[in-house]
Amino acid sequence: GQNIDQPTEMTATEGAIVQINCTYQTSGFNGLFWYQQHAGEAPTFLSYNVLDGLEEKGRFSSFLSRSKGYSYLLLKELQMKDSASYLCAVMSGTYKYIFGTGTRLKVLA
Amino acid sequence: IAGITQAPTSQILAAGRRMTLRCTQDMRHNAMYWYRQDLGLGLRLIHYSNTAGTTGKGEVPDGYSVSRANTDDFPLTLASAVPSQTSVYFCASSESSGGADTQYFGPGTRLTVL
Repeated sequence: GQNIDQPTEMTATEGAIVQINCTYQTSGFNGLFWYQQHAGEAPTFLSYNVLDGLEEKGRFSSFLSRSKGYSYLLLKELQMKDSASYLCAVMSGTYKYIFGTGTRLKVLA
Repeated sequence: IAGITQAPTSQILAAGRRMTLRCTQDMRHNAMYWYRQDLGLGLRLIHYSNTAGTTGKGEVPDGYSVSRANTDDFPLTLASAVPSQTSVYFCASSESSGGADTQYFGPGTRLTVL
């Protein structure tokens, strides 16, 4: 079967660093995406990894290990506006995307 | 229009009724997708289209149909709605010609079937 696992919920303090993990088991792999989704809104793209290693984009970084079926999203210098759900998604085949259930992050003052 | 629009924003529908959710993009993207998002289940792909005139089935296609008459529009039809189709529906598009590609999502349609 195809499966993506993420923690359901995480809490962190403003200014801190948080790491959101994602493990996947899919029939194919053409890349891994992270999306941010604020409550009641559409998902928006954060990052994309297709090769092993770290991709950095400002306060956000994403890591991929294809051999371990593992990725993480690292958020630095947390801000209140980072309170949202973070969705891990794998492109498992042509036009086929599998999404995890999302990690709800609460940033506390 | 900039990006993807969906209509209606929300709808309450009686079971057994026919309903079409509309989706329009102005980015000239080749690929378009329909997802449903349910609490605890995440986003699940219903149908997709890789180019105008071609559609394909996703993970949960039963009870839904789509068409892609042109590049911009990708309507989703529920022929006879059932309560289990109560969900938030997101349309998305990507430039894609088959490779992994960023998806851009519309604002969603909240559908309640009673």
